[in-house]
Amino acid sequence: DQQVKQNSPSLSVQEGRISILNCDYTNSMFDYFLWYKKYPAEGPTFLISISSIKDKNEDGRFTVFLNKSAKHLSLHIVPSQPGDSAVYFCAASSDTGGFKTIFGAGTRLFVKA
Amino acid sequence: ETGVTQSPTHLIKTRGQQVTLRCSSQSGHNTVSWYQQALGQGPQFIFQYYREEENGRGNFPPRFSGLQFPNYSSELNVNALELDDSALYLCASSGATGLEQYFGPGTRLTVT
Repeated sequence: DQQVKQNSPSLSVQEGRISILNCDYTNSMFDYFLWYKKYPAEGPTFLISISSIKDKNEDGRFTVFLNKSAKHLSLHIVPSQPGDSAVYFCAASSDTGGFKTIFGAGTRLFVKA
Repeated sequence: ETGVTQSPTHLIKTRGQQVTLRCSSQSGHNTVSWYQQALGQGPQFIFQYYREEENGRGNFPPRFSGLQFPNYSSELNVNALELDDSALYLCASSGATGLEQYFGPGTRLTVT
């Protein structure tokens, strides 16, 4: 039972353009949604989060949008840089049960110079 | 500030054996979570410890067990290893809010 789904295994974008990574979820009880970035041979690194009571959160080049009615969120990276090439995981968490976090399968982003 | 560390980096075990993986949490963090990441998948939640008590568990059998120590470091023990246990095991620590987690580099376990 995949509660968090990232349907695109990979995405290729030209440097300077926008990268849009998508994520769908099935459990309406999630309170928070997070994005993590993972480079090879390293653990995931927290990138940005959004509370379920908001529809947008922005941090520099990274913006996360949440559409609760569609149970969909997206991460926008503008402008994309070669250093952004990594695997991006969408995750969801609830503040009941100790913030158990459910991860999607990840999307590998390639930013071409 | 010391980040999350895990040991060993790599490990090869035989089916049926037992293994212990170790994690030192980030300074000031009292919550540790363990995840299993199989190839091509996202991290799967195993369990979480808060102040030495188990505080949530995912869909893993009882042969996966853990401990958290007074200094908030943690161990993951897996008994009766199976081939499907081959994966990257990630440890993550978090602070008071518990939301943002800091991950270690992981331990790559291979079961033959």
